[in-house]
Amino acid sequence: QQQVKQSPQSLIVQKGGISIINCAYENTAFDYFPWYQQFPGKGPALLIAIRPDVSEKKEGRFTISFNKSAKQFSLHIMDSQPGDSATYFCAASRTTSGTYKYIFGTGTRLKVLA
Amino acid sequence: DTEVTQTPKHLVMGMTNKKSLKCEQHMGHRAMYWYKQKAKKPPELMFVYSYEKLSINESVPSRFSPECPNSSLLNLHLHALQPEDSALYLCASSRPGRRTYNEQFFGPGTRLTVL
Repeated sequence: QQQVKQSPQSLIVQKGGISIINCAYENTAFDYFPWYQQFPGKGPALLIAIRPDVSEKKEGRFTISFNKSAKQFSLHIMDSQPGDSATYFCAASRTTSGTYKYIFGTGTRLKVLA
Repeated sequence: DTEVTQTPKHLVMGMTNKKSLKCEQHMGHRAMYWYKQKAKKPPELMFVYSYEKLSINESVPSRFSPECPNSSLLNLHLHALQPEDSALYLCASSRPGRRTYNEQFFGPGTRLTVL
């Protein structure tokens, strides 16, 4: 119940295309869903995040779609660029008093071809 | 200042050495985290400090010893490590507040190699 399943494991997209990465969770107590972007040898960078009171959040070329009933959320990268080539991790956490553990997905390696 | 800094960037140590990793943030965050990340894997939580007190220890071997001297600083003391402990060690922090506490900001990591 604590798992977050992420797919695909790897993704190749042409420049200008749309990259879509999906995550699914089981624990309905999760209430915060961030996406992180990580370049080789660097720390993960918070890209965008959503809470279950909204179904979509957009920041620039990045959009999170959230389906509470299906317990799924996805990251859409519009107009994908070679500079977007990185590993993307979804995560889920539960808001309780104190600190918040992240349950990470297994990661998606995105390659955008020039 | 919206940055988490980590030193050193790279560390090579023998199995009998004692070394320390350092993490610093000046964002007023009151939760700080240590993660371990192996190649092609997600970060794996090791420790969480909340208001300078250890709140989570994910059953980490005692050869890893965390320390939080103040609200801005987090250390990870290493002793008698094994080659399988070689990994990228990441520090993260988050700020207090019910709706903001989830937002974890990561440092660049320390690449540790144990010979």
